[in-house]
Amino acid sequence: GAVVSQHPSRVICKSGTSVKIECRSLDFQATTMFWYRQFPKKSLMLMATSNEGSKATYEQGVEKDKFLINHASLTLSTLTVTSAHPEDSSFYICSAYDGRDYSYEQYFGPGTRLTVT
Amino acid sequence: KNEVEQSPQNLTAQEGEFITINCSYSVGISALHWLQQHPGGGIVSLFMLSSGKKKHGRLIATINIQEKHSSLHITASHPRDSAVYICAVVSNYQLIWGAGTKLIIKP
Repeated sequence: GAVVSQHPSRVICKSGTSVKIECRSLDFQATTMFWYRQFPKKSLMLMATSNEGSKATYEQGVEKDKFLINHASLTLSTLTVTSAHPEDSSFYICSAYDGRDYSYEQYFGPGTRLTVT
Repeated sequence: KNEVEQSPQNLTAQEGEFITINCSYSVGISALHWLQQHPGGGIVSLFMLSSGKKKHGRLIATINIQEKHSSLHITASHPRDSAVYICAVVSNYQLIWGAGTKLIIKP
């Protein structure tokens, strides 16, 4: 099946620094990528939807200036957490699909655990 | 009321038992996913359904579109099946998530 990778899998950073997380579709072209955040013992929360070549659509309550999303190609989307704070510590997961084939099959990345100290 | 409801929220069973996890939804959907998340976080897609039934190994997923209900069954459960199982529906090109069912299988 299709594969989505995320890098890094784990990252620890200091307050005030920025962290970039990459999401790549390895064997298909992802017209759409989703970024999710998971709080401890909670379900996944959709942060934003990004379509290749256009600006991401953010969910209500998600700060677009803090969580910068770039989907510059059909195989790569990046999420940058700017000026990270301890409350940004979380598990971030991306998913991807090719909207052109109408299969609605979404492929999930393995996730990135961010710890801000 | 949530658009996707899962039951039970938590389930503890003995190894070998037949497990059923239920998912009901209230929106129109084009597909339904069953996902598995192990401690440590990585999500694995188990099934995507739009009708009928699918089987993979000891896992079986069914969906009844008229009743807006899906079930995930695990036969001959094993401790390695312990995980959170999540139902998510595709509605208007967006995924709507259930809260998940935490399954613990005891040896």
